Amino acid sequence: QSALTQPASVSGSPGQSITISCTGTSNDIGTYNYVSWYQQHPGKAPKLMIYEVSNRPSGVSNRFSGSTSGNTASLSISGLQAEDEANYYCSSYARISTPWVFGGGTKLTVL
Amino acid sequence: EVQLVQSGAEVKKPGESLKISCQGSGYNFTNHWIGWVRQMPGKGLEWMGTIYPGDSDTRYSPSFQGQVIISVDKSASTAYLHWSSLRASDSAMYYCARPFGRAYWGQGTLVTVSS
Repeated sequence: QSALTQPASVSGSPGQSITISCTGTSNDIGTYNYVSWYQQHPGKAPKLMIYEVSNRPSGVSNRFSGSTSGNTASLSISGLQAEDEANYYCSSYARISTPWVFGGGTKLTVL
Repeated sequence: EVQLVQSGAEVKKPGESLKISCQGSGYNFTNHWIGWVRQMPGKGLEWMGTIYPGDSDTRYSPSFQGQVIISVDKSASTAYLHWSSLRASDSAMYYCARPFGRAYWGQGTLVTVSS
């Protein structure tokens, strides 16, 4: 069982917007602004999409955005494209852990 | 440019020992936490533990405490993940990562343990 909780799957049609949630506790997401989001295509290494809750690395499309509210972080993707179909993982600094934890991952399907 | 370069794929037998490496470049290696992530076939990402090269402060996930050893050689800007006795269940892809701030990841090291 992962420390952070994500939905197993989400889906959307091309051009639509979707949001993936990531629920933690006051020991991680609720206290620290060290939430990251990763995209992973099959057979590839994870790619950083968002760091420190809402920052995008250079080269990542502005269709991707991140936010938090209380103990929950969210990744939003607007204007869905076929290439967005992948697994997405959230990660957070956690005071009483490794000190990092992941969510279980969410499979995004672009219909 | 920040880079983390991992050692190559390994094929080992159960009971053998193994140490894989992750060399950092393009930044002050000593001042940044670096960690290891396991991904078993078809499964999600799991943080195994992290180490601060400056003082070798090491934190392990409870699931990996006692199963592996994370170490660092500051002079070589290299972090290591070591098993003393591999099991078939250790077969996985292993990534090193610098997790704080703008995170950087290595390319991954595939470990296969089979008799």
